[in-house]
Formats: sequence, structure tokens, C-alpha cells
Amino acid sequence: DAKTTQPTSMDCAEGRAANLPCNHSTISGNEYVYWYRQIHSQGPQYIIHGLKNNETNEMASLIITEDRKSSTLILPHATLRDTAVYYCIVRRSYNTDKLIFGTGTRLQVFP
Amino acid sequence: DAGITQSPRHKVTETGTPVTLRCHQTENHRYMYWYRQDPGHGLRLIHYSYGVKDTDKGEVSDGYSVSRSKTEDFLLTLESATSSQTSVYFCAIRVGENSPLHFGNGTRLTVT
Repeated sequence: DAKTTQPTSMDCAEGRAANLPCNHSTISGNEYVYWYRQIHSQGPQYIIHGLKNNETNEMASLIITEDRKSSTLILPHATLRDTAVYYCIVRRSYNTDKLIFGTGTRLQVFP
Repeated sequence: DAGITQSPRHKVTETGTPVTLRCHQTENHRYMYWYRQDPGHGLRLIHYSYGVKDTDKGEVSDGYSVSRSKTEDFLLTLESATSSQTSVYFCAIRVGENSPLHFGNGTRLTVT
């Protein structure tokens, strides 16, 4: 499975868009990009996933570059409750069991 | 909300004692998983189940056993707890074969 690289930490002002980048330069054609987040003391929470097209749901948008070597998770209007560790994971969809979370990006949303 | 309840939420036990953690789901999903989370290791798969009485080992299964006698319950047992099993344990379910995992809120286990 492709390895991902994320910044260790980011800050974002409340109400502004939070753009979290992820590099996955070794991704293969059948691998999806998944995003999860983990708020302190809670279980990981699924956010969104995509293959090559941009995706949007009620939580976030996922922008995947045309060469699929990187992606960006966008939280359009960050709130204090979005403060969490965000994990970008690359995985084949039918094998979502053995998720390798890595260290993620710690997003701090400030007032 | 995937309807996952883990119990207990916190437990302290002594080395050598057996411990059972429970994962309960309300929506009759077929696929259930147990993970542990430790600093520097991320989430690691212990055991998983694809249905009643259908379980298999994950990457860190030594010292753990599981049972699934009902669709809604997936039990994780530490046969003889050791200090290396001090961790946060997460249960997860998968709604369908190609869907992402949804996690419970975890059980923090301390083995003294």
C-alpha cells in the first residue's frame, strides 16, 4: 500500500477553510484515498474517501490531483470542534480492514 | 452514528488476570474488528469477524482471543493480561464489503 506524508501540525482560524494536504506519490491505480480524524479520547471518525474524482459530503471536500499523487481535505468552515488529528490513508477499497494510520496532522482551530 | 458501544470504557487490572472487553452494535452489521492503539504504532488489527462464529486473526493476535456467538456482540478476551497489553482498544464495524470502517469510542485498559 502507498505511503502517505502529511504535515505534523496546522492551525486554522474558526470560520475559515482548513486545507489539509497529503502526499501519496506511490499510489497505484486501484487505491483509494481515505480521510479519518480522531478527536482526543474518541475513536477514529470516517470523513470521506475518493479514487480520482473530487468528492464532497456534509463534512468535507476531497480534492485529488489529476496525477493522483496528492490530495487535499477541505473543511469549508472550521469550528473549534474540528480540532483533531487528521489521517490520510491510501488503501484498496475491498481491503479496508488493515488501515495504517500513521501520525497524521494535528489541526488546531483557534477562535 | 454506527450504533457501536464498547464496555467497559476504562479498566484497571492486574498482570495474569483474564479480561474481557465487549463490543455491541445495534444494526446487525456483518463485519466487526478489534484494534489497539499505542503511541508510535498507530492502530493495529487484533482480530476480526465476518459473521457469527466466523473469526480470524489480525497482525497482533498473540495473547488475545475473540468470540462472536451473536451478530451484535464481539468479545475480546485477554487470556492472561500482561503490562504490554496496556492500551486503548477500539472496536470497529464495516457496513458493507467496500465501505469504510466506523469505530467505537474505545476502552482504555491498564494492566498493572
